[in-house]
Amino acid sequence: SQTIHQWPATLVQPVGSPLSLECTVEGTSNPNLYWYRQAAGRGLQLLFYSVGIGQISSEVPQNLSASRPQDRQFILSSKKLLLSDSGFYLCAWSNDRGGTYGYTFGSGTRLTVV
Amino acid sequence: DAKTTQPNSMESNEEEPVHLPCNHSTISGTDYIHWYRQLPSQGPEYVIHGLTSNVNNRMASLAIAEDRKSSTLILHRATLRDAAVYYCILRNSGYSTLTFGKGTMLLVSP
Repeated sequence: SQTIHQWPATLVQPVGSPLSLECTVEGTSNPNLYWYRQAAGRGLQLLFYSVGIGQISSEVPQNLSASRPQDRQFILSSKKLLLSDSGFYLCAWSNDRGGTYGYTFGSGTRLTVV
Repeated sequence: DAKTTQPNSMESNEEEPVHLPCNHSTISGTDYIHWYRQLPSQGPEYVIHGLTSNVNNRMASLAIAEDRKSSTLILHRATLRDAAVYYCILRNSGYSTLTFGKGTMLLVSP
């Protein structure tokens, strides 16, 4: 069966420090991968998605970047965190490029920038 | 993707059925209707999806109007663990990402 792993679960980082969040998927090949963010009291916002190794699409210009170095690995990074980067970060995967299948989400990383 | 409209919140009692409505009057013929829910402090969870016919799975049922301009997610017997935000989302059969709106916050009382 397919599983998605996301870590760490919680993270407290100072302003100006770098960030690296990792997400891996097991049990499937060539998944579509996604990073979402949910700021406190707000909705889920798609940040990046990837349909293959090295292919990254950005939905919202911001202080973050994403990379996909391997088929089932998706990394969210920042060189210098801002207070506004605080939030709940979620990785997800899907097997299709349309509406015929659902997304599976990881358990999330709660990031607090202080 | 076409837009959906959901009530901000709904309340239910435990062990009673819950009908969560969703309006999508501008739905196209190739839009799938997806439902997700997000429990507190967790990531969203896929619930069900359908195109034209009603759908049932172990979690819920999805009733789709004949003109497809509205749908209803049915939880047959609500439990306290069903308290969550429920999102109704349209996804085109061509490539599209999942765009979340505000959803409906379901409160379940014992």
